[in-house]
Amino acid sequence: LAKTTQPISMDSYEGQEVNITCSHNNIATNDYITWYQQFPSQGPRFIIQGYKTKVTNEVASLFIPADRKSSTLSLPRVSLSDTAVYYCLASSSDSWGKFQFGAGTQVVVTP
Amino acid sequence: NAGVTQTPKFQVLKTGQSMTLQCAQDMNHNSMYWYRQDPGMGLRLIYYSASEGTTDKGEVPNGYNVSRLNKREFSLRLESAAPSQTSVYFCASRSPDRNAYEQYFGPGTRLTVT
Repeated sequence: LAKTTQPISMDSYEGQEVNITCSHNNIATNDYITWYQQFPSQGPRFIIQGYKTKVTNEVASLFIPADRKSSTLSLPRVSLSDTAVYYCLASSSDSWGKFQFGAGTQVVVTP
Repeated sequence: NAGVTQTPKFQVLKTGQSMTLQCAQDMNHNSMYWYRQDPGMGLRLIYYSASEGTTDKGEVPNGYNVSRLNKREFSLRLESAAPSQTSVYFCASRSPDRNAYEQYFGPGTRLTVT
């Protein structure tokens, strides 16, 4: 499994765009990048997945450059309720069990 | 659909006691997982079951056993609890679509071992 590295924490103000970059230098050809959000005392919640280029859904955008050694999760116009821990994972289509969560990025949004 | 359910929500054990954490999903998923999350840390995979009838060790399997009872249920057993097993335990399941990496998590079981 490719190890992922993220910043430990990020601060933002309401209404700003938050970009969290994840490094995965050893990503394998079959690996997808997935992001999860976790609030205190809750299980993680899936946000988005991608393989390359850009993926957008109603919550976030995920950009993965051509070399796939990093990815950036973009949260547009954050609100206080976006304060959470965000995890980046490299998940292989060849293995149903290998999910490795890192320490995640604590995002704190203030008024 | 209830999604992924876990019982109990809270549990306090004394060192050496045993217990079983229960997990069930109603989404007809093949794969199920048990994680633990220590305070301020990320999740670590304990065991997983890629499909009914199979189980495999994850990153931190020592001190635990699992049973995939049927397609819906996946239980985690602590045979002799230790204070180091104080943690929050999350169960998850995953869609059978090979290209879908979304895991669905339960609400967690908060276990304290004294």
